[in-house]
Amino acid sequence: AQKITQTQPGMFVQEKEAVTLDCTYDTSDPSYGLFWYKQPSSGEMIFLIYQGSYDQQNATEGRYSLNFQKARKSANLVISASQLGDSAMYFCAMREGYNFNKFYFGSGTKLNVKP
Amino acid sequence: DVKVTQSSRYLVKRTGEKVFLECVQDMDHENMFWYRQDPGLGLRLIYFSYDVKMKEKGDIPEGYSVSREKKERFSLILESASTNQTSMYLCASSGQGANTGELFFGEGSRLTVL
Repeated sequence: AQKITQTQPGMFVQEKEAVTLDCTYDTSDPSYGLFWYKQPSSGEMIFLIYQGSYDQQNATEGRYSLNFQKARKSANLVISASQLGDSAMYFCAMREGYNFNKFYFGSGTKLNVKP
Repeated sequence: DVKVTQSSRYLVKRTGEKVFLECVQDMDHENMFWYRQDPGLGLRLIYFSYDVKMKEKGDIPEGYSVSREKKERFSLILESASTNQTSMYLCASSGQGANTGELFFGEGSRLTVL
């Protein structure tokens, strides 16, 4: 079974609007971490936001927030007030426990921000 | 500014050649990783290392080997490159006691095997 599922291969959003990128995960480990990374066309992976499985509140970092629904095993990324520079691939990832060899990535969502 | 540096952004090699991809980090991280990225497949772990001279296989180690002689440097070796190894290769590192344990990535090395 897929550990991380991103069902949106590509998305468009109008500049200044909010957009939600979907991510569901699968684990039986009670301790895990969820991550979102941004990959611009230049190739580097940029860490955006982290949510721990025991965190009570949704994580926020500037215009990024993580909508964490533990019972549904979903960890959607919300980008508010989209900017042209947000156009990139976005990857959801999960680390099971504290095992660094159990760091799983989804297949990514390509976001295009339209002016 | 923390940094993971990959030696080559773009390489073109011929089938059967030996290929070295080098990665250096300046964050004194214990853990280093090599991933392969292909469209629609996300990132797949090839090998990782949690200490000097220590390595463990990831999900797709076949056709690859690694070397970690110094803490800051982690090399990926393709002993005999094949066309199905044409891909983007990403190096990453992380700290052992890090609060969140996020991976820090290099800029990637795009390898084409002809």
